[in-house]
Amino acid sequence: QVQLQESGPGLVKPSETLSLTCIVSGGSVRSGSYYWSWVRQSPGKGLEWIGNIDYSGHTTYDSSVDGRVTISLDTSQNRFSLKLHSVTAADTAVYFCARDVCDGGNCDDSLLSWFDPWGQGILVTVSS
Amino acid sequence: DIQMTQSPSSLSASVGERVTITCRASRSIATYLNWYQQKPGKAPKLLIHAAFILQSGVPSRFRGGGSETDFSLNISSLQPEDFATYYCQQSYSSLYTFGQGTKLEIK
Repeated sequence: QVQLQESGPGLVKPSETLSLTCIVSGGSVRSGSYYWSWVRQSPGKGLEWIGNIDYSGHTTYDSSVDGRVTISLDTSQNRFSLKLHSVTAADTAVYFCARDVCDGGNCDDSLLSWFDPWGQGILVTVSS
Repeated sequence: DIQMTQSPSSLSASVGERVTITCRASRSIATYLNWYQQKPGKAPKLLIHAAFILQSGVPSRFRGGGSETDFSLNISSLQPEDFATYYCQQSYSSLYTFGQGTKLEIK
């Protein structure tokens, strides 16, 4: 059974870079059946998709963070990472990593995908 | 970006009642629509994918429907564990978007 676990600092200073890692166990990040996503949730607010990466390292980012975000894949450690640059208080949120399951088992051939499972989430506060 | 709008934003209901949550997309997304349940302090949990396909282990009282721009999540007989926040999410566009959420509370 696949499990995801986020790790990283819980406090980041304004203008600095938020860095988080998601360790994947019970499955391989090299599979072409999945993307690997980051989703965040500001306190008391809804879910916001940040971006994802596929097995080849191809990334897609939401327009709200594009230009500040980098998602990368480490196949040797079976994990993927998020870097969000030049953070402000508005980036304070619980950050979740999630496996993005592609319908039919091939992400190249399907638009349909869904998030399952999710990591437990990690609260990152941006404050000096 | 495709905008997803849920209604209502909050809902009070009693155990045993039937409730319906709706989700509207700003343009057609076929059936590329997923539903999640989130409880306080927890990660979201997938309930339904492809508009109406129930995830393994999810009780059959949950039912999804709809296509194109209008979707629904029905819970046929509310149980105490169903009180949570529900989100829809589209994957038709590679820029995924969520609805704003519907908080289901006990009356």
